Amino acid sequence: NAGVMQNPRHLVRRRGQEARLRCSPMKGHSHVYWYRQLPEEGLKFMVYLQKENIIDESGMPKERFSAEFPKEGPSILRIQQVVRGDSAAYFCASSLGSGDEQFFGPGTRLTVL
Amino acid sequence: GESVGLHLPTLSVQEGDNSIINCAYSNSASDYFIWYKQESGKGPQFIIDIRSNMDKRQGQRVTVLLNKTVKHLSLQIAATQPGDSAVYFCAESNTDKLIFGTGTRLQVFP
Repeated sequence: NAGVMQNPRHLVRRRGQEARLRCSPMKGHSHVYWYRQLPEEGLKFMVYLQKENIIDESGMPKERFSAEFPKEGPSILRIQQVVRGDSAAYFCASSLGSGDEQFFGPGTRLTVL
Repeated sequence: GESVGLHLPTLSVQEGDNSIINCAYSNSASDYFIWYKQESGKGPQFIIDIRSNMDKRQGQRVTVLLNKTVKHLSLQIAATQPGDSAVYFCAESNTDKLIFGTGTRLQVFP
């Protein structure tokens, strides 16, 4: 039973480039959540998606950030024109249903030079 | 002892002692609470959860206590082991998203 998979595990981008972070939920899970974690801080909710739908994006910055969870394939968190302040660990979690336990992936550590 | 500073609060305990990690949550409407353990370079790992209709729940070596009156949550770890060294986060939920606390670093020394 594979857990939540995220790739890449480490991503380095220069300012102005685009970052694409991928998340494959646990088998059978159709609910995906993205969180961001700065060093020495707790995780901050960004967005909650179900297949082909964004349910709650109240934690997403209004500009440059977008997320999708297509019918087929992984969920993608996309950050356009990255800035140094985007450097963080980005975690994906998945759950079987709404309100069920969320299982976390290993995270993608984004470094913006 | 416990210390709070610019970085994560840290709790240092001796191997074999019991550990108590505390958390204050913000939303009185939250009805589900979870404790996570996060080791360096890894994602949060579920430890134990509790719903608001309970005030205590026990697992293997861990106990979670919930005091809704003062919006306080605690995690007790019995017979703390070196492998328990990590950062511990409480999280609350009343919709589908989790709201994480700031975390406590647990250091276990021999």
